Amino acid sequence: EAAVTQSPRNKVAVTGGKVTLSCNQTNNHNNMYWYRQDTGHGLRLIHYSYGAGSTEKGDIPDGYKASRPSQENFSLILELATPSQTSVYFCASGVRDWGGYAEQFFGPGTRLTVL
Amino acid sequence: GDSVTQTEGPVTVSESESLIINCTYSATSIAYPNLFWYVRYPGEGLQLLLKVITAGQKGSSRGFEATYNKETTSFHLQKASVQESDSAVYYCALGDPNVGDNSKLIWGLGTSLVVNP
Repeated sequence: EAAVTQSPRNKVAVTGGKVTLSCNQTNNHNNMYWYRQDTGHGLRLIHYSYGAGSTEKGDIPDGYKASRPSQENFSLILELATPSQTSVYFCASGVRDWGGYAEQFFGPGTRLTVL
Repeated sequence: GDSVTQTEGPVTVSESESLIINCTYSATSIAYPNLFWYVRYPGEGLQLLLKVITAGQKGSSRGFEATYNKETTSFHLQKASVQESDSAVYYCALGDPNVGDNSKLIWGLGTSLVVNP
């Protein structure tokens, strides 16, 4: 059973509209991440969280907000969507083991098109 | 700063041919980084392919191998004989084992692999 799920899987939005992408994890991981993936840019970190109530800016936070109301849920919010935010968005949860090794577990992605 | 550079794609090979995708890293602020290869199959999210946390060791999974070479700061991904089902995007990444509870990773741009039948 999938441990990181995203909704919606596909979304078409209009410029200036509000978009909320949702992510749920059942891994019980403290850390969660939102990335976008565009051709030629690889994965770029937008926001991340260390736990419920915490959000941190990643490498490209402008135009995005994040919300972590619980251990399981992490949302990405585009208050005023723009065509430049058309992309594939991935959510991930992360864990570090006793040896310091870190791994991230990804959802299937959300394809967002802003017209 | 810390960064990962990998082979620019797409890489196109024929089934049963050998494969190498290069990955080099710069870890100026990380003494002993952990190294990872992730893979994204079409329509799916990224998943861990293999990891190595100790310099000099080799990781392997699904016929792929990568050796953590601290001298050359490399972590190249190799497979002796690829299959069409290996067609995917491959990402090299590094992590800092000494940053508290943070599991944040530094990612390469990804390499698209196309295996022709």
